[in-house]
Amino acid sequence: DAGITQSPRHKVTETGTPVTLRCHQTENHRYMYWYRQDPGHGLRLIHYSYGVKDTDKGEVSDGYSVSRSKTEDFLLTLESATSSQTSVYFCAISTGQGAGELFFGEGSRLTVL
Amino acid sequence: GESVGLHLPTLSVQEGDNSIINCAYSNSASDYFIWYKQESGKGPQFIIDIRSNMDKRQGQRVTVLLNKTVKHLSLQIAATQPGDSAVYFCAENQAGTALIFGKGTTLSVSS
Repeated sequence: DAGITQSPRHKVTETGTPVTLRCHQTENHRYMYWYRQDPGHGLRLIHYSYGVKDTDKGEVSDGYSVSRSKTEDFLLTLESATSSQTSVYFCAISTGQGAGELFFGEGSRLTVL
Repeated sequence: GESVGLHLPTLSVQEGDNSIINCAYSNSASDYFIWYKQESGKGPQFIIDIRSNMDKRQGQRVTVLLNKTVKHLSLQIAATQPGDSAVYFCAENQAGTALIFGKGTTLSVSS
């Protein structure tokens, strides 16, 4: 797992509630990513970070925000969860400069009722 | 639309056969490609990669072929085993900072 921990691993919440998913790495890598995975869509990039307080949007960033106040943690926040955000969320890190080989966490399954 | 896609959502093979999983990409500027394997309940795991200055790269039982003329990528698995059953994704590096993934092919191996 290249030292990647996601929490929580499973969460059930209600529409309109805020949710924060945490990705923690132990190896001090610069690049971190959040993807969501849905049947028929594969993995889609939500946001990524290229350093502390440096983040950028991916292809499906609407409804999500991220923060990276320290190298080891990358937080994904759903300010007001919707049922369309029910998904499995994967955090990944790149051990190089930019998007080379990515190492993924085990995923966080979120269900929005 | 998707820049990276796979031709078939599912592929069924017999144990011992060779498997070929295909992927088409649309961005001719992409310079780096990776194949990932994802087992049920787990995150994707790296299999093999290839840069755009190469046509072929071999690993252990796996080979990736890149045809830049038709923007096609394939993963060949030799002597497929039941443990190879998983979802396989191709991914491309378009802008240097993130990987874009295809939708995946589910490989089922029967013994």
